Amino acid sequence: DVKVTQSSRYLVKRTGEKVFLECVQDMDHENMFWYRQDPGLGLRLIYFSYDVKMKEKGDIPEGYSVSREKKERFSLILESASTNQTSMYLCASSFLTGRTGELFFGEGSRLTVL
Amino acid sequence: LAKTTQPISMDSYEGQEVNITCSHNNIATNDYITWYQQFPSQGPRFIIQGYKTKVTNEVASLFIPADRKSSTLSLPRVSLSDTAVYYCLVGGIGMPAGGTSYGKLTFGQGTILTVHP
Repeated sequence: DVKVTQSSRYLVKRTGEKVFLECVQDMDHENMFWYRQDPGLGLRLIYFSYDVKMKEKGDIPEGYSVSREKKERFSLILESASTNQTSMYLCASSFLTGRTGELFFGEGSRLTVL
Repeated sequence: LAKTTQPISMDSYEGQEVNITCSHNNIATNDYITWYQQFPSQGPRFIIQGYKTKVTNEVASLFIPADRKSSTLSLPRVSLSDTAVYYCLVGGIGMPAGGTSYGKLTFGQGTILTVHP
């Protein structure tokens, strides 16, 4: 089974702190994604990456950055956390080609910024 | 980008067939249509994917008309455990190319399906 593991299920941070959310996948997928999920807004794409060191902005990249130094790992960084970044963050991965659109998701990281 | 529109919520009863329709008027030629299911406190899980006509697997069917501007997820004989949020996703993944929807997989707001006893 494909496994996408997010480092923390629950985090509580203070405004202005730097926050790292880590995601690791074990299926040698080329694509990796970060979404955030908020009530009434569904899933919104923050960033995605289709190769090591490659990244593309999604629909809501402001306030976030990402890092992909190894194929299996994709990190989401909040340089200076703000209360409006309180949300559920979901990481996903997929193959580059083939069954396009079949994303495998982690269980999510619920971030609270106080 | 292909924007999707789904009903916010639907109610059904055990044993009934449920059809959830998603509108995607701006779907691109290379876009696939994929449906996901999400339970509380979990990430979404793949249900079914199609490009055109009809696709069926062990859990659902997906109907896509010729113009591909909408799609319908059909769940036969639902049970209480099918209570979840269902997302329609339109997009394609491929090698980078100018003007494609590569990588920008857009989720709709989801449909909350509640199955009653």
